Amino acid sequence: AQSVTQPDIHITVSEGASLELRCNYSYGATPYLFWYVQSPGQGLQLLLKYFSGDTLVQGIKGFEAEFKRSQSSFNLRKPSVHWSDAAEYFCAVGVTGTASKLTFGTGTRLQVTL
Amino acid sequence: EADIYQTPRYLVIGTGKKITLECSQTMGHDKMYWYQQDPGMELHLIHYSYGVNSTEKGDLSSESTVSRIRTEHFPLTLESARPSHTSQYLCASSQWTGHYYEQYFGPGTRLTVT
Repeated sequence: AQSVTQPDIHITVSEGASLELRCNYSYGATPYLFWYVQSPGQGLQLLLKYFSGDTLVQGIKGFEAEFKRSQSSFNLRKPSVHWSDAAEYFCAVGVTGTASKLTFGTGTRLQVTL
Repeated sequence: EADIYQTPRYLVIGTGKKITLECSQTMGHDKMYWYQQDPGMELHLIHYSYGVNSTEKGDLSSESTVSRIRTEHFPLTLESARPSHTSQYLCASSQWTGHYYEQYFGPGTRLTVT
């Protein structure tokens, strides 16, 4: 069965520092991969996605992610974190050929110190 | 960008009451979803709809039921609420991009059963 692992439950970074959130997936075929962000009291907003092509994908709010098939990873990065980036981040994998259903990881809570 | 609405945003209700959580979207998406999210946990799919009059249970067993009589409306009902139903419920719909389905989320309903 498909699964997503986000090994870091909670990460704290200083504003202006770089960020990397880890995501590992288990899926038999070429995966559709997504990163979502959830601010307190809000729903999920799509940051970026990968389904084919360039393994480095750019998203909104200055985020990027790199798909590494050999490591089954899809880590999210940002060169310089802003205080407004504090939120919960979820990695997800599409579990059908068209990603009509998703399996989510447990999320990583990002805290940003000033 | 899809518009997905959920009401109420917060609900505190006593044990044994019947409740309906509303979800509507204005984009004409065929596929809609209900997720249950507990603090620090991943989102679990509890209901899925392919379109009007088509629903199925998700990966996580739930005592709730859903209906899909109109494309834009996907309400979730609990006939008799219990404290174990306390959770956040997120509704989503998805749009075909030409390569995969992209999900859009509502703001969620936080349910507390006392």
